[in-house]
Amino acid sequence: KAGVTQTPRYLIKTRGQQVTLSCSPISGHRSVSWYQQTPGQGLQFLFEYFSETQRNKGNFPGRFSGRQFSNSRSEMNVSTLELGDSALYLCASSLRNEQYFGPGTRLTVT
Amino acid sequence: KNEVEQSPQNLTAQEGEFITINCSYSVGISALHWLQQHPGGGIVSLFMLSSGKKKHGRLIATINIQEKHSSLHITASHPRDSAVYICAVHNTDKLIFGTGTRLQVFP
Repeated sequence: KAGVTQTPRYLIKTRGQQVTLSCSPISGHRSVSWYQQTPGQGLQFLFEYFSETQRNKGNFPGRFSGRQFSNSRSEMNVSTLELGDSALYLCASSLRNEQYFGPGTRLTVT
Repeated sequence: KNEVEQSPQNLTAQEGEFITINCSYSVGISALHWLQQHPGGGIVSLFMLSSGKKKHGRLIATINIQEKHSSLHITASHPRDSAVYICAVHNTDKLIFGTGTRLQVFP
């Protein structure tokens, strides 16, 4: 079975721009979670989608949003980028709480 | 105070040593995960446990629900075990992460 894939792997954006990141879960997994990892804050939960519905949300501003499609692929969007949004964004698909992480997208905001 | 605390933050060892990393949490959980992150960012889930003990090869994870404490042990450590080890707890359908333990094993 193919693992979790994320695209793009690296991205450089300018302050004020918006960005969309994509995550394809393992086939058969209906839950996709997104996480942000920064040197200062560590790993933090962004949101979780299950069957196209947001099931849970972390403590992030409304500039961070996401969605899930009928094939379980998920996207997250960050609008009006700030320097502090520079981070590694990880998604994970899960089956019965077992988490399978993607390689991450490293976003740099300049 | 963080809801998930790990110790130590940094750990160096000689190849062959027995290693223990500790995790304490203060919230109710349905499961606890031990994750491994190598330079470059990729995260691998090592264990998910909700009670007792699990073993995979040289890795052993234990959890004490009453004490709200878990340990990850590495027997006969090897330089390829060098990585950041992260404890995460499942709380109300989301993961809460510890700050990680950076392990370096020298030959």
